[in-house]
Amino acid sequence: EPEVTQTPSHQVTQMGQEVILRCVPISNHLYFYWYRQILGQKVEFLVSFYNNEISEKSEIFDDQFSVERPDGSNFTLKIRSTKLEDSAMYFCASTESTGQLYEQYFGPGTRLTVT
Amino acid sequence: RKEVEQDPGPFNVPEGATVAFNCTYSNSASQSFFWYRQDCRKEPKLLMSVYSSGNEDGRFTAQLNRASQYISLLIRDSKLSDSATYLCVVPNNAGNMLTFGGGTRLMVKP
Repeated sequence: EPEVTQTPSHQVTQMGQEVILRCVPISNHLYFYWYRQILGQKVEFLVSFYNNEISEKSEIFDDQFSVERPDGSNFTLKIRSTKLEDSAMYFCASTESTGQLYEQYFGPGTRLTVT
Repeated sequence: RKEVEQDPGPFNVPEGATVAFNCTYSNSASQSFFWYRQDCRKEPKLLMSVYSSGNEDGRFTAQLNRASQYISLLIRDSKLSDSATYLCVVPNNAGNMLTFGGGTRLMVKP
Protein backbone atom coordinates (compact mmCIF):
# COMPACT_ATOMS: atom_id res chain seq x y z
CA GLU A 1 0.00 0.00 0.00
CA PRO A 2 1.45 3.42 -0.93
CA GLU A 3 2.35 5.62 1.99
CA VAL A 4 3.67 9.05 2.87
CA THR A 5 7.21 8.96 4.23
CA GLN A 6 9.02 11.57 6.31
CA THR A 7 12.63 12.15 7.29
CA PRO A 8 14.17 12.44 9.76
CA SER A 9 12.02 10.70 12.35
CA HIS A 10 13.56 12.87 15.07
CA GLN A 11 15.44 16.15 14.73
CA VAL A 12 17.14 17.96 17.59
CA THR A 13 18.25 21.52 16.96
CA GLN A 14 19.34 24.56 18.89
CA MET A 15 17.19 27.65 19.16
CA GLY A 16 17.82 30.01 16.25
CA GLN A 17 18.96 27.30 13.86
CA GLU A 18 17.28 26.51 10.56
CA VAL A 19 15.70 23.10 10.03
CA ILE A 20 14.28 21.40 6.96
CA LEU A 21 11.77 18.63 7.38
CA ARG A 22 11.31 16.34 4.40
CA CYS A 23 8.34 14.45 3.11
CA VAL A 24 7.73 12.16 0.15
CA PRO A 25 3.98 12.19 -0.60
CA ILE A 26 2.16 9.33 -2.29
CA SER A 27 3.31 9.32 -5.90
CA ASN A 28 0.07 10.17 -7.74
CA HIS A 29 -1.07 12.74 -5.17
CA LEU A 30 -1.13 16.39 -6.14
CA TYR A 31 -2.10 18.17 -2.91
CA PHE A 32 0.25 18.39 0.04
CA TYR A 33 -0.11 19.55 3.61
CA TRP A 34 1.81 20.15 6.80
CA TYR A 35 0.32 19.87 10.27
CA ARG A 36 1.91 20.04 13.69
CA GLN A 37 1.04 18.60 17.06
CA ILE A 38 2.60 19.99 20.20
CA LEU A 39 2.88 17.27 22.85
CA GLY A 40 -0.44 16.79 24.60
CA GLN A 41 -2.29 19.15 22.28
CA LYS A 42 -4.44 18.80 19.19
CA VAL A 43 -3.26 18.49 15.62
CA GLU A 44 -3.07 21.93 13.99
CA PHE A 45 -3.08 22.81 10.30
CA LEU A 46 -0.10 24.77 8.99
CA VAL A 47 -0.29 24.94 5.21
CA SER A 48 -1.62 23.35 2.04
CA PHE A 49 0.23 23.33 -1.28
CA TYR A 50 -0.81 22.65 -4.85
CA ASN A 51 0.76 23.32 -8.23
CA ASN A 52 3.82 24.91 -6.61
CA GLU A 53 1.76 27.40 -4.68
CA ILE A 54 0.40 27.73 -1.17
CA SER A 55 -3.38 27.35 -1.37
CA GLU A 56 -4.19 27.85 2.31
CA LYS A 57 -2.24 28.66 5.43
CA SER A 58 -2.97 29.18 9.10
CA GLU A 59 -1.94 31.96 11.46
CA ILE A 60 0.79 29.67 12.78
CA PHE A 61 2.45 29.64 9.36
CA ASP A 62 4.26 32.96 9.68
CA ASP A 63 7.34 34.33 7.91
CA GLN A 64 9.69 31.90 9.61
CA PHE A 65 8.03 29.00 7.79
CA SER A 66 8.29 28.12 4.12
CA VAL A 67 7.41 25.15 1.95
CA GLU A 68 8.87 23.90 -1.28
CA ARG A 69 8.57 21.08 -3.77
CA PRO A 70 12.20 21.02 -4.93
CA ASP A 71 11.74 18.07 -7.28
CA GLY A 72 9.08 15.63 -8.43
CA SER A 73 8.96 13.64 -5.23
CA ASN A 74 9.94 15.68 -2.18
CA PHE A 75 7.92 18.26 -0.25
CA THR A 76 9.78 20.21 2.42
CA LEU A 77 8.97 22.45 5.38
CA LYS A 78 11.67 24.91 6.39
CA ILE A 79 11.73 26.72 9.72
CA ARG A 80 14.19 29.56 9.40
CA SER A 81 15.04 30.41 13.00
CA THR A 82 13.65 27.86 15.39
CA LYS A 83 12.12 28.79 18.73
CA LEU A 84 11.55 26.62 21.77
CA GLU A 85 7.82 26.67 21.05
CA ASP A 86 8.41 25.07 17.63
CA SER A 87 9.08 21.79 19.42
CA ALA A 88 6.35 19.48 18.18
CA MET A 89 5.54 16.54 15.93
CA TYR A 90 5.26 17.69 12.32
CA PHE A 91 3.04 15.61 10.04
CA CYS A 92 3.03 15.75 6.28
CA ALA A 93 -0.11 14.64 4.42
CA SER A 94 -1.20 14.27 0.82
CA THR A 95 -4.36 13.73 -1.23
CA GLU A 96 -4.96 12.87 -4.86
CA SER A 97 -7.44 15.69 -5.25
CA THR A 98 -9.10 18.37 -3.19
CA GLY A 99 -12.60 18.65 -1.83
CA GLN A 100 -14.29 17.62 1.36
CA LEU A 101 -14.61 13.99 0.32
CA TYR A 102 -10.94 13.18 -0.08
CA GLU A 103 -9.00 11.47 2.68
CA GLN A 104 -5.71 13.04 3.67
CA TYR A 105 -3.04 10.40 4.16
CA PHE A 106 -0.58 11.25 6.91
CA GLY A 107 3.09 10.40 7.17
CA PRO A 108 4.60 9.03 10.41
CA GLY A 109 5.80 12.47 11.46
CA THR A 110 9.07 14.16 12.39
CA ARG A 111 9.58 14.93 16.05
CA LEU A 112 11.32 18.29 16.29
CA THR A 113 13.01 19.16 19.57
CA VAL A 114 14.37 22.70 19.94
CA THR A 115 16.79 23.17 22.83
CA ARG B 1 -18.12 27.64 20.60
CA LYS B 2 -14.79 26.02 19.72
CA GLU B 3 -14.51 24.96 16.08
CA VAL B 4 -14.43 21.26 16.89
CA GLU B 5 -14.99 20.12 20.44
CA GLN B 6 -14.65 16.70 22.03
CA ASP B 7 -14.74 15.30 25.54
CA PRO B 8 -11.08 14.42 26.20
CA GLY B 9 -11.95 11.40 28.36
CA PRO B 10 -10.38 9.03 29.14
CA PHE B 11 -13.14 6.51 28.66
CA ASN B 12 -12.14 3.34 30.52
CA VAL B 13 -14.26 0.39 29.38
CA PRO B 14 -14.01 -3.41 29.66
CA GLU B 15 -13.53 -5.60 26.61
CA GLY B 16 -16.82 -6.23 24.87
CA ALA B 17 -18.43 -3.00 25.99
CA THR B 18 -20.15 -0.50 23.74
CA VAL B 19 -18.84 3.04 23.94
CA ALA B 20 -19.90 6.28 22.24
CA PHE B 21 -18.09 9.55 21.67
CA ASN B 22 -19.61 12.85 20.66
CA CYS B 23 -18.16 15.78 18.80
CA THR B 24 -19.66 19.22 18.20
CA TYR B 25 -18.65 21.57 15.42
CA SER B 26 -19.25 25.27 14.90
CA ASN B 27 -19.37 25.66 11.10
CA SER B 28 -22.96 24.95 10.07
CA ALA B 29 -21.88 24.90 6.40
CA SER B 30 -19.64 21.85 6.88
CA GLN B 31 -20.73 19.01 4.61
CA SER B 32 -18.47 16.13 5.51
CA PHE B 33 -16.71 14.88 8.58
CA PHE B 34 -14.11 12.33 9.53
CA TRP B 35 -13.18 10.21 12.48
CA TYR B 36 -9.45 9.54 12.67
CA ARG B 37 -7.70 7.26 15.11
CA GLN B 38 -4.35 8.21 16.64
CA ASP B 39 -2.17 5.85 18.61
CA CYS B 40 0.33 7.30 21.07
CA ARG B 41 2.99 9.33 19.22
CA LYS B 42 1.80 8.08 15.84
CA GLU B 43 0.14 9.73 12.88
CA PRO B 44 -3.65 10.09 12.57
CA LYS B 45 -5.26 7.36 10.46
CA LEU B 46 -8.71 7.57 8.91
CA LEU B 47 -11.30 5.43 10.62
CA MET B 48 -14.54 6.61 9.02
CA SER B 49 -16.01 9.30 6.82
CA VAL B 50 -19.48 10.76 7.38
CA TYR B 51 -21.26 12.56 4.55
CA SER B 52 -24.97 11.98 5.05
CA SER B 53 -26.80 11.01 8.21
CA GLY B 54 -24.42 8.22 9.10
CA ASN B 55 -22.06 5.45 8.16
CA GLU B 56 -21.43 1.95 9.48
CA ASP B 57 -18.34 -0.21 9.12
CA GLY B 58 -18.31 -3.42 11.12
CA ARG B 59 -18.24 -2.57 14.81
CA PHE B 60 -18.06 1.15 14.14
CA THR B 61 -21.00 3.47 13.48
CA ALA B 62 -20.79 7.18 12.89
CA GLN B 63 -23.87 9.39 12.96
CA LEU B 64 -24.37 13.00 11.99
CA ASN B 65 -26.93 15.38 13.39
CA ARG B 66 -26.76 18.55 11.30
CA ALA B 67 -29.47 20.38 13.22
CA SER B 68 -27.54 20.06 16.47
CA GLN B 69 -24.14 20.19 14.77
CA TYR B 70 -22.74 17.06 16.31
CA ILE B 71 -21.22 13.82 15.13
CA SER B 72 -21.03 10.64 17.15
CA LEU B 73 -18.90 7.52 16.95
CA LEU B 74 -20.18 4.25 18.41
CA ILE B 75 -17.87 1.30 18.96
CA ARG B 76 -19.51 -2.03 19.70
CA ASP B 77 -17.82 -5.08 21.23
CA SER B 78 -14.69 -3.12 22.20
CA LYS B 79 -11.33 -4.83 21.69
CA LEU B 80 -8.07 -4.17 23.52
CA SER B 81 -6.69 -2.95 20.18
CA ASP B 82 -9.33 -0.20 20.07
CA SER B 83 -7.39 1.63 22.79
CA ALA B 84 -6.36 4.91 21.15
CA THR B 85 -7.34 8.54 20.83
CA TYR B 86 -10.25 9.22 18.48
CA LEU B 87 -10.11 12.49 16.60
CA CYS B 88 -13.12 14.28 15.18
CA VAL B 89 -12.06 16.15 12.03
CA VAL B 90 -13.88 18.73 9.93
CA PRO B 91 -12.60 19.90 6.53
CA ASN B 92 -13.10 23.44 5.30
CA ASN B 93 -15.33 24.02 2.27
CA ALA B 94 -12.44 23.67 -0.17
CA GLY B 95 -11.23 20.51 1.50
CA ASN B 96 -7.68 21.83 1.74
CA MET B 97 -7.57 22.29 5.48
CA LEU B 98 -8.60 19.94 8.26
CA THR B 99 -9.64 21.19 11.69
CA PHE B 100 -9.09 18.64 14.42
CA GLY B 101 -10.80 18.26 17.73
CA GLY B 102 -8.67 17.63 20.77
CA GLY B 103 -9.48 13.93 20.68
CA THR B 104 -11.18 11.49 23.02
CA ARG B 105 -8.97 8.89 24.66
CA LEU B 106 -10.30 5.35 24.92
CA MET B 107 -8.76 2.68 27.11
CA VAL B 108 -10.16 -0.84 26.79
CA LYS B 109 -9.27 -3.08 29.72
CA PRO B 110 -9.25 -6.90 29.84
